[in-house]
Parts: sequence; C-alpha cells; structure tokens
Amino acid sequence: EIVLTQSPATLSLSPGERATLSCRASQSVSSYLAWYQQKPGQAPRLLIYDASNRATGIPARFSGSGSGTDFTLTISSLEPEDFAVYYCQQRSNWPWTFGQGTKLEIK
Amino acid sequence: EVQLVQSGAEVKKPGESLKISCKGSGYSFTSYWIGWVRQMPGKGLEWMGIIYPGDSDTRYSPSFQGQVTISADKSISTAYLQWSSLKASDTAMYYCARPSDSGSYSYWGQGTLVTVSS
Repeated sequence: EIVLTQSPATLSLSPGERATLSCRASQSVSSYLAWYQQKPGQAPRLLIYDASNRATGIPARFSGSGSGTDFTLTISSLEPEDFAVYYCQQRSNWPWTFGQGTKLEIK
Repeated sequence: EVQLVQSGAEVKKPGESLKISCKGSGYSFTSYWIGWVRQMPGKGLEWMGIIYPGDSDTRYSPSFQGQVTISADKSISTAYLQWSSLKASDTAMYYCARPSDSGSYSYWGQGTLVTVSS
C-alpha cells in the first residue's frame, strides 16, 4: 500500500499570503495524484488531478506540481474561503490512498 | 448533471447489520467506478474500496477487506456499503464518490452519518 505523507500538519497564514503544501509518496505514483479541499460539514472537492491539472471551476490561484514521489499544492494568494483542510490522494496503485491532510488556518 | 444521492443518517447498536446506499444519476452508471470513503469524527479521509458496476469488479483497502461489503445494483443505478456486525468504531461519515474521465473523484455524495452506540 502506498503511504502519502502530507506536511505540514497545520499551516497558519494570512489572507493574501502564498501557501505551499507538500505530499510525499512512499513509492512512485507517476503523476496520478490529486488534491482535494474540504470545509467543515462539506464533502471534499477536487482541486487538482494528475498532479497539475485544475479541475473544472477551480480558480487559477490553485496550482499543483510534482511527479514520482514529491508533490506540491500552491495557493498563490490566499482568499478567506481557502482556509480549509487539504488532502492528497493517489490512484496509481490499488488500494488508492489519501494523505492525512493539512489544515490551513488563518493566522 | 451527475448526481450521487446517499441514504439518510443511521443510528444502530453494536452487532447490528446495516446497508447504506448511493444512487447515481445523470450518467451511465455501468461505465464508471464508484467508491466509498470513510471519515471518522474529526479525522481525515480513508479510502475504503471501489466497485465497477459494469462487471462488479471490486477492490478493497486491506484495512476494510472483510469488514465491509461493497456492491452495486445496475438496474437501479445504486451502489451499496454494508456491514454484517457493526462496532462502535464504525461511527463515521461515509461518502460515495465517482471519478470523472480524469480518474480522480470529481463527484461526491452528500455523505451518510452512521452512529453506532449502545
């Protein structure tokens, strides 16, 4: 089973700042990595698929990069609605797995 | 419009059985995998398993293999997650989710809250 390790566990930033979230895989997942955003009381929402492709309707301030074992989600300039929990997920191998999440909180 | 509509919240006692559902609409149900994700209170997302309704090919996470059963009824475009004997530790929100052509989970149900308590 591929283990995804996200860092940091919590990231405290202010609106307008740049956020950089990391996801590391225990073995290569090629580019089969997605990022999701989850707000309290809501289902997760797909942000990025296949490492660097924005999902439909996702603002351009969200970008993804990486391949193999190291991936990054960048939010270029934080908006108030971006404070949430972010998860990475791989679909390279069964079983698909999620990272443990990064909580992005307002500083 | 693709929609996944899940069955309502459940309150059960330890040892009881349960089957929750996820009805797909707005797409060809047999042409896309549909999976289940657990979220325990205050915790992260856990991938449980997935089924391809077209041929019932089913994959489980080792953590959930033998603990739950995933199934689908093509005739009514509905996927299921079932337990034969619930434990208190099964208390969680359960989401169904469907990948888009991109392969990632673009579509999510609203979640079914399962509470297991004596």
